[in-house]
Amino acid sequence: EAGVTQFPSHSVIEKGQTVTLRCDPISGHDNLYWYRRVMGKEIKFLLHFVKESKQDESGMPNNRFLAERTGGTYSTLKVQPAELEDSGVYFCASSQGVPGSYTFGSGTRLTVV
Amino acid sequence: GNSVTQMEGPVTLSEEAFLTINCTYTATGYPSLFWYVQYPGEGLQLLLKATKADDKGSNKGFEATYRKETTSFHLEKGSVQVSDSAVYFCALSLNNAGNMLTFGGGTRLMVKP
Repeated sequence: EAGVTQFPSHSVIEKGQTVTLRCDPISGHDNLYWYRRVMGKEIKFLLHFVKESKQDESGMPNNRFLAERTGGTYSTLKVQPAELEDSGVYFCASSQGVPGSYTFGSGTRLTVV
Repeated sequence: GNSVTQMEGPVTLSEEAFLTINCTYTATGYPSLFWYVQYPGEGLQLLLKATKADDKGSNKGFEATYRKETTSFHLEKGSVQVSDSAVYFCALSLNNAGNMLTFGGGTRLMVKP
């Protein structure tokens, strides 16, 4: 079974540019989550999809962040325009709803310079 | 609100030493508790979990017991190996919150031969 795939693994962009991160969950997993870890701090929840619907987006920091999950398959997280404080590691996870049974991707390390 | 506090690292041990990483939590309900591990260059992996008070989660020689009276879930291993070097994250999840995870800040463990 393929795991959760994220790409790119690394991205370096200039302040003001746009970046799109992608997550391919495990096939059949209805739940998809985005998290991020900024500056070595705790990992924080961004949002949760159930299939193509946003179940909870309370963790999205501001309107520069836009997440989509077209057709309930892969998801994208767009940051536009990027700011320095957006630098960090963005993790995606998927699950079938069993508490704690998440599978995480390897993360995308975003550096905004 | 919900929060997880874990000891700051890095924790540096010699091979075969005893490991304890402290974790305490606050939660608005009755959480499930988890330890996740991130090995260098990899994504987060579930190490162990416990879903109710006095449950003990165990895996790969690691153990943690859900202590409701002290709101703690300390991670222990009797004899660490170099291959255990990683970042360890304590986390909680409430079933009424979409199963999203609330993480601690992470503890880096370095094991020297």
